[in-house]
Formats: sequence, structure tokens, C-alpha cells
Amino acid sequence: AQTVTQSQPEMSVQEAETVTLSCTYDTSESDYYLFWYKQPPSRQMILVIRQEAYKQQNATENRFSVNFQKAAKSFSLKISDSQLGDAAMYFCAYRAMNSGYSTLTFGKGTMLLVSP
Amino acid sequence: DAMVIQNPRYQVTQFGKPVTLSCSQTLNHNVMYWYQQKSSQAPKLLFHYYDKDFNNEADTPDNFQSRRPNTSFCFLDIRSPGLGDAAMYLCATSRGLIGMSSYNEQFFGPGTRLTVL
Repeated sequence: AQTVTQSQPEMSVQEAETVTLSCTYDTSESDYYLFWYKQPPSRQMILVIRQEAYKQQNATENRFSVNFQKAAKSFSLKISDSQLGDAAMYFCAYRAMNSGYSTLTFGKGTMLLVSP
Repeated sequence: DAMVIQNPRYQVTQFGKPVTLSCSQTLNHNVMYWYQQKSSQAPKLLFHYYDKDFNNEADTPDNFQSRRPNTSFCFLDIRSPGLGDAAMYLCATSRGLIGMSSYNEQFFGPGTRLTVL
């Protein structure tokens, strides 16, 4: 069974600074997807960034980028130029890649606090 | 805008009194999911529908049931809520099978926070 581990229950960053959230996972599959979801307080969860395991290039979406280390089964999220609106719970998630669809396995989340 | 809608946003029920949470979507997605999320924990998948095919997670209690009368709507029924069922319930949708592979992003609703008195 796949597992996703986020070892940082909480992280703090100041506005305009950079922060990295860690995620490791365990799978016997060779092809899969990895995601970072953001869940602001009392608001819905939204997708921040995704990475296909077969792609060696790290995904980037504006201020958000990942460091994907397949051999180490590591998938960290870097947030550059942090903004107050980045404050949220961040979940790392895994999904197997197959011919159909499959369900997500989430980590326990990292609460990101952003201070002025 | 296409979206996932959950009603109500907050639901209070009494111990043992049946309650139904609803989810609707305008995305025309094949798959609908129900998650339970307790405070400071990861969302836990309860079950999902691929069209009308129901898929129950092995550890989902029998107390939880679901109905999907049509593509747009899905309901979560809790037959006899206990104090341990107090949680945020998230509905999500995804497109399902497209070709041989697809990343199939899940789109989440805002959730219903259930309180059991």
C-alpha cells in the first residue's frame, strides 16, 4: 500500500521569504502522480501543483515549485516570495497512474503560517 | 463557473439522529468522492462513485451510506451518528477514464462541518 508522510506539522515563514515543505512517499509503482493541495482555513481544497513521475523536470507554477527526487521518494514544495494568502494547510498526495483513475492518498498535512 | 457545491456548510445533529449531507457538481464529472476529515488530519476516503458504480473503502463503517441519483448529485447518509463522526466531510469530483491515462485532478467542494451533540 502507498503511504505519504509529511514530517512537518507546522512551518512558519515571513512575507517575501522562501519556505520548503517536505513530503516523502512509499510505493512499489514506477509510474504515478504527486500533488500538493492547499486548504485555506474554512475554504475549499485546491490543487497547487502536480508532478508526473516519468518526468524528470521539476514542475513549476509561478511562485510554487517542487523538488522531485524519485530515487529518494521525496517530493518537496518550495514557495518563493511568500504572501499572507499562502497561509493554509498543505497536503501532499499520491495517485497511481494506470489506464483508468485511482484514488488519492494524502499525507497528514503541514500548516503554513505566514507573518508580515 | 463550474464547481462543486456542498450543502449545508454546517450541520448539527444529535447523537443517533440520521443526517444527510449533499453534494452537487456542474463539472459533469464521472467520479464523485466522499472524504472524512477530522481536525488536523488528512482527508480519509469513505467511498466513491464511478458513474453509478459504487466503490466502498474497506474500512468505511456500515453507518455511512451513499446515494448518487444522477451525474450531478451525490449524498452521504449517516444512519446513526456518533460523537466520533463529528468531522468535516469533503466531496470531490474527477473526470474519470479518458484514454489510457490522465492525471484526473480532483476538484473539491468547500466541505460540510458536522457537529454531533
